[in-house]
Amino acid sequence: QQQVKQSPQSLIVQKGGIPIINCAYENTAFDYFPWYQQFPGKGPALLIAIRPDVSEKKEGRFTISFNKSAKQFSLHIMDSQPGDSATYFCAATANNAGNMLTFGGGTRLMVKP
Amino acid sequence: DGGITQSPKYLFRKEGQNVTLSCEQNLNHDAMYWYRQDPGQGLRLIYYSQIVNDFQKGDIAEGYSVSREKKESFPLTVTSAQKNPTAFYLCASNPRGPYGYTFGSGTRLTVV
Repeated sequence: QQQVKQSPQSLIVQKGGIPIINCAYENTAFDYFPWYQQFPGKGPALLIAIRPDVSEKKEGRFTISFNKSAKQFSLHIMDSQPGDSATYFCAATANNAGNMLTFGGGTRLMVKP
Repeated sequence: DGGITQSPKYLFRKEGQNVTLSCEQNLNHDAMYWYRQDPGQGLRLIYYSQIVNDFQKGDIAEGYSVSREKKESFPLTVTSAQKNPTAFYLCASNPRGPYGYTFGSGTRLTVV
C-alpha cells in the first residue's frame, strides 16, 4: 500500500517556469515531510522539509505548501533553471514509526534552457 | 566531514555469485537503511536497522542479507538467490528525531 502518492511522474518546463510537484498522504500520524533532490548517479539529498503546524515554508527558490485538512503538500520551484533538472522525491514520517521515511514514487523534472 | 560512504561505486557480479556492498557512516546515527532503485523508478526498501545487532526486512528483502555488528556499519549482501540484482543501491541513515535521512552516493551493481 503506497502511503504517499506523488504526481506527476515527469515534468518538463522552460527556464524561468514554476514546476509544481504534488504529494498526497493517507497516514494522519505523519508529522514531518521532507523533499529530496537526486541527480543521476548520485544519492538523494535533503532539499527542504516542513512540519504540519505551518502551511508554507520557503528556502531560496524552493517552497513547500502544506494543506493538512486535505492531506496534501507540494513543492514549487521558482524561476527554475536547467541545473534544477533532477528527480524529486517527497517523503513523510511519523515519530511513532521510528522516523522511518515513506517515499513518494518520484518526479523527473527537466528544465529546458 | 561527517557522512555516509558507500563502496564500491561500481560492482560487477557474475551469475550465481554473492557480492557485498559496504556502507559506513560517521554521523553517529542509530538507524540505517538499504534501498534499491531501478532506472527511472522510486526507492524500494530492502532492509533496515534501528539499533546494533537488530534489523528488519523491508518490502523487497528476498535474495538479500544484512548484518549490523557495529553502529557505523551496515553491509548488504546480494546473494545468488536474487534473480535480478542489476540496480542502483542506496544506503541511508538517520538519527533519533525527525531530521530526515542522509544518503550515501550509491553503488551501481551490474550482473555480467
